[in-house]
Amino acid sequence: DQQVKQNSPSLSVQEGRISILNCDYTNSMFDYFLWYKKYPAEGPTFLISISSIKDKNEDGRFTVFLNKSAKHLSLHIVPSQPGDSAVYFCAASEGANSKLTFGKGITLSVRP
Amino acid sequence: DADVTQTPRNRITKTGKRIMLECSQTKGHDRMYWYRQDPGLGLRLIYYSFDVKDINKGEISDGYSVSRQAQAKFSLSLESAIPNQTALYFCATSDPRSGGADTQYFGPGTRLTVL
Repeated sequence: DQQVKQNSPSLSVQEGRISILNCDYTNSMFDYFLWYKKYPAEGPTFLISISSIKDKNEDGRFTVFLNKSAKHLSLHIVPSQPGDSAVYFCAASEGANSKLTFGKGITLSVRP
Repeated sequence: DADVTQTPRNRITKTGKRIMLECSQTKGHDRMYWYRQDPGLGLRLIYYSFDVKDINKGEISDGYSVSRQAQAKFSLSLESAIPNQTALYFCATSDPRSGGADTQYFGPGTRLTVL
């Protein structure tokens, strides 16, 4: 049973516009959530995280929103840039410093 | 220099062969992980180790084994490779002292093809 779901396999947006990447989870015990970005031929790199005690965390152009009642989180990228084109993985864990469960990833393409 | 290195970066082998993938890190982290990535399936955890004496199975450990030779080294073995083990393999590390979310740092990956 997939506990972290990224139901849309791909997203294409225009440069300068907002990218919204969605993630749903089924395990109500998850309390930490992370986003990773992965370029071809490279390993995933950490982007941003949020704990369940918050509903928003912002870092520059990247903001993660958490809706615990809906078991849903989203990553907003504003403004989107061509260099943001990559695969984005959502991940979650039960408790601090616990192992991560990853979603399948979503491929973001930002058109110039 | 990269903090997490993996060797080899690419490997083609035949069914039934024994293969070892190696991972080294200079980050001083206690925790190390092995994942595989398949198209449409995301990252799946094979094995993880929270310190040198600790080894744990992940969600897809069948057909794999690991060895934690030192804090800095964690190797993954395929005792008898089969074609459905063709995938991209990633090693990762993390530091439990950082608190909060278990931010993991990934190596560049090993692309393994089993013919």
